[in-house]
Amino acid sequence: QVQLVQSGSELKKPGASVKVSCKASGYTFTTYAMDWVRQAPGQGLEWMGWINTNTGDPTYAQGFTGRFVFSLDTSASTAYLQISSLKAEDTAIYYCARGRGGSTVHYTDNWGQGTLVTVSS
Amino acid sequence: DIQMTQSPSTVSASVGDRVTITCRASQSISTWLAWYQQKPGKAPQLLIYRASTLESGVPSRFSGSGYGTEFTLTISSLQPDDSASYYCQQYHSYSYTFGLGTKLEIK
Repeated sequence: QVQLVQSGSELKKPGASVKVSCKASGYTFTTYAMDWVRQAPGQGLEWMGWINTNTGDPTYAQGFTGRFVFSLDTSASTAYLQISSLKAEDTAIYYCARGRGGSTVHYTDNWGQGTLVTVSS
Repeated sequence: DIQMTQSPSTVSASVGDRVTITCRASQSISTWLAWYQQKPGKAPQLLIYRASTLESGVPSRFSGSGYGTEFTLTISSLQPDDSASYYCQQYHSYSYTFGLGTKLEIK
């Protein structure tokens, strides 16, 4: 069955960087997109963008450009989210989610368990 | 970016009730809309895509409808397990967006 397993919780100081991993199994990794979604404590879902797992091309939502980078290791069926220059407001749960559909439009049908990133001095 | 407005933000209903949640898009998105359910401490789960197509394994009491800018998620007969937050998401434009969510409580 389809599974997305994310790396564990992280506690980081402001200004540091973090890299969250999302390992996929149960399907051919490069035939589905991978989205990233943020959820701040007690808040709703915020779409960060997605990466085309076939070409490696990322698309970032407004507000997630510059410090946020999506990347892949297709040989390991793993997607990564790296956040640099961390701020307190980056404290959130970060989800990866498989995108089903086509290369231009897709919705997410399977989600990782989420990774809590806490930014605190 | 396309804005998604969900209402109500909170709804309280009894087991067996019919519940409707509305999502409005700031511009037409055809039927490029999905609905998700999220329970506390868990990842969201896909309920409906393409506005009205039920995801495999989702109970048939859930249904979706709409086109263009107005969409609804309906639970025909509320069950205790339906206590959760519900989110709509448009995937029409270059930048996908979620609604702010609806928290559904069981009386």
